[in-house]
Amino acid sequence: EPEVTQTPSHQVTQMGQEVILRCVPISNHLYFYWYRQILGQKVEFLVSFYNNEISEKSEIFDDQFSVERPDGSNFTLKIRSTKLEDSAMYFCASSDMWTRGEHNEQFFGPGTRLTVL
Amino acid sequence: AQSVTQLGSHVSVSEGALVLLRCNYSSSVPPYLFWYVQYPNQGLQLLLKYTSAATLVKGINGFEAEFKKSETSFHLTKPSAHMSDAAEYFCAVSDFAGGTSYGKLTFGQGTILTVHP
Repeated sequence: EPEVTQTPSHQVTQMGQEVILRCVPISNHLYFYWYRQILGQKVEFLVSFYNNEISEKSEIFDDQFSVERPDGSNFTLKIRSTKLEDSAMYFCASSDMWTRGEHNEQFFGPGTRLTVL
Repeated sequence: AQSVTQLGSHVSVSEGALVLLRCNYSSSVPPYLFWYVQYPNQGLQLLLKYTSAATLVKGINGFEAEFKKSETSFHLTKPSAHMSDAAEYFCAVSDFAGGTSYGKLTFGQGTILTVHP
């Protein structure tokens, strides 16, 4: 069964460093998302990406964040200068959104746990 | 704007007992609703979804949920709990509106289900 994969599973970084979180969405999906979950809190939407551009972003997704689909398979989230409060689990998701008149679910990857020291 | 409220951050049941996890939503468009489950150290897995077809939705692992528009609810139930059901459960609403949005999910706070022998 197709699945979304994410690497690394755990990333430890120093405050101020840049990190890149990688995701491989399901191959025939066209809609891509990043969410994050701070420990003990709810899962929060960060950004959606469609047709090689950001379609929507939350207020969390400030200038420190960027996303890219550098090739036909990878989808990355970059944090330019990490802060302590960026420590969270980051989930990538993908969807084909709408088929046969039905709104489809998003498929989530296993997440990358980012720890900023 | 969408929002989701899950009543009860922790629910504890005995093995074999009924599981009831509550979810109420608010949506400015006809809602598409989802229940996801998160096992320890894993990503989010879809349990079931409501996408405007039958109001009683059956999912995996014996779970089902009933969409009640008048009560703006989408409670998750399972007749008989199993030890393997212990996990965190998230209700989510999509802002998808038939091609004019990108399906951002808004999650509830999550409910941790504990199953006692």
